[in-house]
Amino acid sequence: TQLLEQSPQFLSIQEGENLTVYCNSSSVFSSLQWYRQEPGEGPVLLVTVVTGGEVKKLKRLTFQFGDARKDSSLHITAAQPGDTGLYLCAGHRGYQKVTFGIGTKLQVIP
Amino acid sequence: GAVVSQHPSWVICKSGTSVKIECRSLDFQATTMFWYRQFPKQSLMLMATSNEGSKATYEQGVEKDKFLINHASLTLSTLTVTSAHPEDSSFYICSAQDRSSGNTIYFGEGSWLTVV
Repeated sequence: TQLLEQSPQFLSIQEGENLTVYCNSSSVFSSLQWYRQEPGEGPVLLVTVVTGGEVKKLKRLTFQFGDARKDSSLHITAAQPGDTGLYLCAGHRGYQKVTFGIGTKLQVIP
Repeated sequence: GAVVSQHPSWVICKSGTSVKIECRSLDFQATTMFWYRQFPKQSLMLMATSNEGSKATYEQGVEKDKFLINHASLTLSTLTVTSAHPEDSSFYICSAQDRSSGNTIYFGEGSWLTVV
């Protein structure tokens, strides 16, 4: 059962464009994490959000945790080819209770 | 940041043989580790949750006798693919949960398995 809906699943954009990836759930999470995975490698942790309404920035990436801690978004400004990869969100509802989104495969075309 | 190491990164084995993949948390203790399988251009598929000192919890459709998981210490979990067949060829990834840092999950680098 997919408890954490991630969208879109596929995204192909031109370099310089902006994009937003969403993770939505009906469950409340104690924290949520975003990862990026490049082909042939393991996912790398980008950020952890904990507080409802929290906004974190990582260079051109902006992460937001919903006020009710049920959803999160990742916004990329002026996408670069180096942003290409699979983006995953993971929601925690306590120890061992972690749910992953299905992933968003992003391709940034030069 | 925390590091999770997988070994081997690449392995080729003959059909019918067994192969073991190790997952180690290098700078934290992980009572829980997770094993995933990933097919090309697809997302991660959770196979099982590995708990230190107890039996692993397998996801529906994953054969526990085929994919043996052992979590004998707080820093090591192993996945053994028994009687491997070409259809078991895949990218296998582990992750470990760090309770000391808000249950953050860190991933290993992944292991490519090719069964010939």
